[in-house]
Amino acid sequence: SSELTQDPAVSVALGQTVRITCQGDSLRSYYASWYQQKPGQAPVLVIYAKNNRPSGIPDRFSGSSSGNTASLTITGAQAEDEADYYCNSRDSSDNHLFGGGTKLTVL
Amino acid sequence: EVQLLESGGGLVLPGGSLRLSCAASGFTFSSYAMSWVRQAPGKGLEWVSAISGSGGNTYYADSVKGRFTISRDNSKNTLYLQMNSLRAEDTAVYYCAKDDRQQYFHYYMDVWGKGTTVTVSS
Repeated sequence: SSELTQDPAVSVALGQTVRITCQGDSLRSYYASWYQQKPGQAPVLVIYAKNNRPSGIPDRFSGSSSGNTASLTITGAQAEDEADYYCNSRDSSDNHLFGGGTKLTVL
Repeated sequence: EVQLLESGGGLVLPGGSLRLSCAASGFTFSSYAMSWVRQAPGKGLEWVSAISGSGGNTYYADSVKGRFTISRDNSKNTLYLQMNSLRAEDTAVYYCAKDDRQQYFHYYMDVWGKGTTVTVSS
């Protein structure tokens, strides 16, 4: 299968920890990257190569992977973390795959 | 500062054509693959196409194969997407992105433009 599956919506209380997951066969072979998108804005890379953060991304964002599942964890979620999150990976044909996205609500 | 700026979007009739451009600055353009990603209204991200740094290799999503053509002019630091036989379902914001493929086990898009809107409607 060349698909990545995400839960459509997740919520977290302010200051608590939340995990957003992504499942797909490609994740057994390749690492995931994660993108944050706020309304009306372009996506922003927050995690790449399983658990690397680009410059400027807070260290409360982290990534992990096991088997066919990749996870994005936000430790101590802030109000500004409310956004859509997308996982992404490559496939064996050098194409990109995106998950359907997870809408994160910070309560 | 690394920047990508898309242009060329607009309203087009079904069956029509449009060419998008993406001007890059702040990095060695020819050293990196580039991708186009689109987002239909209220929907998620969909990868559309990618091209290697030299332009010698191109990749397409099944949904656009045979209708869209990606290309680049490294002398002008510009990426293009020629879109033919457009359909209503191609209506979306189109983003260009710097596509880091330097490591086999992970590809990622670390710089994105603000997007250009394509509307296919009669």
